[in-house]
Amino acid sequence: NAGVTQTPKFQVLKTGQSMTLQCAQDMNHNSMYWYRQDPGMGLRLIYYSASEGTTDKGEVPNGYNVSRLNKREFSLRLESAAPSQTSVYFCASRMTVGDYGYTFGSGTRLTVV
Amino acid sequence: AQSVTQLGSHVSVSEGALVLLRCNYSSSVPPYLFWYVQYPNQGLQLLLKYTSAATLVKGINGFEAEFKKSETSFHLTKPSAHMSDAAEYFCAVSQAYGNKLVFGAGTILRVKS
Repeated sequence: NAGVTQTPKFQVLKTGQSMTLQCAQDMNHNSMYWYRQDPGMGLRLIYYSASEGTTDKGEVPNGYNVSRLNKREFSLRLESAAPSQTSVYFCASRMTVGDYGYTFGSGTRLTVV
Repeated sequence: AQSVTQLGSHVSVSEGALVLLRCNYSSSVPPYLFWYVQYPNQGLQLLLKYTSAATLVKGINGFEAEFKKSETSFHLTKPSAHMSDAAEYFCAVSQAYGNKLVFGAGTILRVKS
């Protein structure tokens, strides 16, 4: 089925470890986004990529890096994980022109101990 | 800058009763507004969106929302609650040609039998 695919679905890291969250979409969307969801705070934008080859910081970028590998893939990297990064991470995409609907992946639940 | 305020982090209604979830936005430019629903341990699903056409927007599962510019509101309603409506609901705003979707903190809807 068409949509946004995130891997892994669950991950436990030790403080200081690194990891990359993967996101891929097969809808030929131009823009892609990474959000984190924490209780009582809604979803907050970490980074986004308006188009292939560009990335920009969102509301909470500290401690994260991103790569827009190609039009389909947008990865999020934690270089040195901290307990404050325990969260549920969502990737989303949208076409940008003429379509303002965002499609979300099913999320990655990350725990940093 | 844009922001969204959802009044009430938790709302409880009886099955068959009216559902009203409140959302107020702040935007310096004409906004596009969205309601998303999230069922436990799942991603976000678009319920409905306002993109400057009709001010009364109908969505999936019997939900609708009315854009009121004078009140800067976009409240979500459903005439009769079902048990299956129990979930967390998020209101979100973006600029008409912007690249960022800003979320409210969410409202958890509980439906009592």
